[in-house]
Amino acid sequence: GAVVSQHPSRVICKSGTSVKIECRSLDFQATTMFWYRQFPKKSLMLMATSNEGSKATYEQGVEKDKFLINHASLTLSTLTVTSAHPEDSSFYICSVIIADTGELFFGEGSRLTVL
Amino acid sequence: ELKVEQNPLFLSMQEGKNYTIYCNYSTTSDRLYWYRQDPGKSLESLFVLLSNGAVKQEGRLMASLDTKARLSTLHITAAVHDLSATYFCAPMNDKIIFGKGTRLHILP
Repeated sequence: GAVVSQHPSRVICKSGTSVKIECRSLDFQATTMFWYRQFPKKSLMLMATSNEGSKATYEQGVEKDKFLINHASLTLSTLTVTSAHPEDSSFYICSVIIADTGELFFGEGSRLTVL
Repeated sequence: ELKVEQNPLFLSMQEGKNYTIYCNYSTTSDRLYWYRQDPGKSLESLFVLLSNGAVKQEGRLMASLDTKARLSTLHITAAVHDLSATYFCAPMNDKIIFGKGTRLHILP
């Protein structure tokens, strides 16, 4: 069964609005979650590492004020794209590591389209 | 900074043939992941390789890891059309960085 659940799977919004994407770990606690984005026919780019109870660690070039990450509980991390613009349209995917096995599982992804 | 080079980036092959995808990375890595992605979908975990010399097999796919050479391979045996997808390798040190992916197209 699914290990990570992501919601919504698709979202369309107007330019200038904010969009929140949720990532939940199912049946286990995740102290760390990773957020990636993927443009069409491109690879995954790590945006940030989300740490429960502390500030996220952002990769170089990722605007922390634009991509707000909150990891308020051991099963939920959220990514909010603020003041979205068409160039933010992308596939956003979260992932978690299972500590016991080292496996890295991905959510279903959220496809954001900004008009 | 960890850099990942995957090749080939695109591969078209006939059913029944064997082929290998290569993944080179630039710095010491604790482990390495292989994923499959179908168009419009998220990533499906194939293998996680945790140590030097690790070899894992699932069906027609086999992955190996040589940490000294900083090289991992994904070998496809007797390819079938259902294996058409994009395959990514992703080594990990303090973060997990993805290769550019190999788009595999298997002709029936």
